[in-house]
Amino acid sequence: EVQLVESGGGLVQPGRSLRLSCAASGFTFDDYAMHWVRQAPGKGLEWVSGIRWNSGSMAYADSVKGRFTISRDNAKNSLYLQMNSLRAEDTALYYCAKDIGIAVAGTGGYIDSWGQGTLVTVSS
Amino acid sequence: DIQMTQSPSSLSASVGDRVTITCRASQSIRSSLNWYQQKPGKAPKVLIYDATSLQSGVPSRFSGSGSGTDFTLTISSLQPEDFATYYCQQSYITPRFGQGTKVEIK
Repeated sequence: EVQLVESGGGLVQPGRSLRLSCAASGFTFDDYAMHWVRQAPGKGLEWVSGIRWNSGSMAYADSVKGRFTISRDNAKNSLYLQMNSLRAEDTALYYCAKDIGIAVAGTGGYIDSWGQGTLVTVSS
Repeated sequence: DIQMTQSPSSLSASVGDRVTITCRASQSIRSSLNWYQQKPGKAPKVLIYDATSLQSGVPSRFSGSGSGTDFTLTISSLQPEDFATYYCQQSYITPRFGQGTKVEIK
């Protein structure tokens, strides 16, 4: 059974940094692209970032480009999201998500598994 | 950047109704369009992928159609467990979700 367990969320002041982690199990981690998707309280889903199976390419939403960095450690079955220069509008539940394919986009992929999310609150 | 526009943003329907949700892309995304269902407090789950393919385990009352820029999710006979929020998502270029359609009980 696929399991994705996020951690690292919490309350942080604007302008500060936070690093999210996602521990994956139940599948061959390095066979799949991975994503971060967030959902602000009472709002819709927003795709944040994705990374190819071999870290060969990463992609970001315009809203986080230049501030967030996605990475993965296939030896540790782990996905990360380094979030810098945090803003109030980054407040959301952040989901770790597994793609059905190896690439972030362009090959007909979709998200077939989700974690339960970790809450990030940016506030002074 | 490809924009995804879903409509309506919400709808009220009765059990047994046929429900249609549309999603329009700002440029062609071929068939790289997926549909997800999300219930309150839960993670989303995929219903339809590649515009028309039904995910394993999803009831056959759900169907998807379209290609290029215009897509449709249809629920042929709405069931009590189908009241939820539905999102389209393009996976053609940098992924993006539509703004969601909340299906409520009439």
